Amino acid sequence: EPEVTQTPSHQVTQMGQEVILRCVPISNHLYFYWYRQILGQKVEFLVSFYNNEISEKSEIFDDQFSVERPDGSNFTLKIRSTKLEDSAMYFCASSSGTDTQYFGPGTRLTVL
Amino acid sequence: DQQVKQNSPSLSVQEGRISILNCDYTNSMFDYFLWYKKYPAEGPTFLISISSIKDKNEDGRFTVFLNKSAKHLSLHIVPSQPGDSAVYFCAASVTGTASKLTFGTGTRLQVTL
Repeated sequence: EPEVTQTPSHQVTQMGQEVILRCVPISNHLYFYWYRQILGQKVEFLVSFYNNEISEKSEIFDDQFSVERPDGSNFTLKIRSTKLEDSAMYFCASSSGTDTQYFGPGTRLTVL
Repeated sequence: DQQVKQNSPSLSVQEGRISILNCDYTNSMFDYFLWYKKYPAEGPTFLISISSIKDKNEDGRFTVFLNKSAKHLSLHIVPSQPGDSAVYFCAASVTGTASKLTFGTGTRLQVTL
């Protein structure tokens, strides 16, 4: 069964450093998303991406965040200058155009 | 901004019995609803969904009921199994391309022997 994959599973970084989180969506999906879950809180939408551009972004997704689909398979989330409050689980999701989104296993980001 | 609420943080059910997880929403624009199951350190796994044109959708042991007038949905698991022990998230969206999901806070289900 096709699935969304994410790397790395855990990323530890120093405050102010740049991180890139990587995702490989399900191969025939066209819509891509990033969500995050701060420990003990709900899963929150960050950004959606379709046809090589951002479709929607939340208030969380400020200028420090960017997304890219550098090739036909990867979808990345970059945080330019990490803050302590960026520590969270980051989930990538993809969908085929129906409204059901399929999630990856997540990347745990720890900012020290 | 609690547009999707799951008021029960936890639920304990005996194996073989019915588990009923509840979810309320406030945004009347939501017209597509999903339930996800999540184990610790894993991503949400899609379970079942329902469109607002229906009031019930069934898939094996899982049934979702939607009451639009009450802005309430519920997930029934019958019979409950120990492997069902996880956190269950309700999510809602407005139908459209690349629609974001708005999640509830989750209910931790414990199925006991």
